[in-house]
Amino acid sequence: AQKITQTQPGMFVQEKEAVTLDCTYDTSDQSYGLFWYKQPSSGEMIFLIYQGSYDEQNATEGRYSLNFQKARKSANLVISASQLGDSAMYFCAMREGWNTNAGKSTFGDGTTLTVKP
Amino acid sequence: EAEVAQSPRYKITEKSQAVAFWCDPISGHATLYWYRQILGQGPELLVQFQDESVVDDSQLPKDRFSAERLKGVDSTLKIQPAELGDSAMYLCASSSPKWDSKNIQYFGAGTRLSVL
Repeated sequence: AQKITQTQPGMFVQEKEAVTLDCTYDTSDQSYGLFWYKQPSSGEMIFLIYQGSYDEQNATEGRYSLNFQKARKSANLVISASQLGDSAMYFCAMREGWNTNAGKSTFGDGTTLTVKP
Repeated sequence: EAEVAQSPRYKITEKSQAVAFWCDPISGHATLYWYRQILGQGPELLVQFQDESVVDDSQLPKDRFSAERLKGVDSTLKIQPAELGDSAMYLCASSSPKWDSKNIQYFGAGTRLSVL
């Protein structure tokens, strides 16, 4: 069964500094997708970044980058130049299968990030 | 901008009552998901639809929960009777691999349920 582990329940970072949120996963599939979502206190889940298991380059989206280490089964999110608005809960998720609708999605329990001014 | 619509945003009910949540996915998205998120935890998939068909409801407590997507567009999730342990955020998401090779799930704002 697939499993996502986020070992940091809470993280603090100073405004304008970079922060890394950890995510490890477990799957027996060769094809899968990894996602990061942000959930502010309002509750909506906001998609941030995606990495496919066959992607050779680490994904980047603006200030977000994903440090993908396939052999170690880790997919850490790096946020550069943190802003106060980055304070939120962050979830790592995995979907087995290659963009197939039948692939089940599993979420980790999240990391609460607090950005200090 | 296209978005997933959910209503109501908040619902307070007493145990043993029936509650229903509604979701309208992004236009054209064939896949629709209902998740339950308990405070402090990640979302847990309850049911997944492909058009009007259920493709995964293995985690749906079928003795009290039901979900339908009759015309393959909007969807309703029902709980009857509600129990105290059902208090949670209920999130709806949709995706479309036809439009998006990453098959990203886009979420609505959720319905926060409190059972008293």
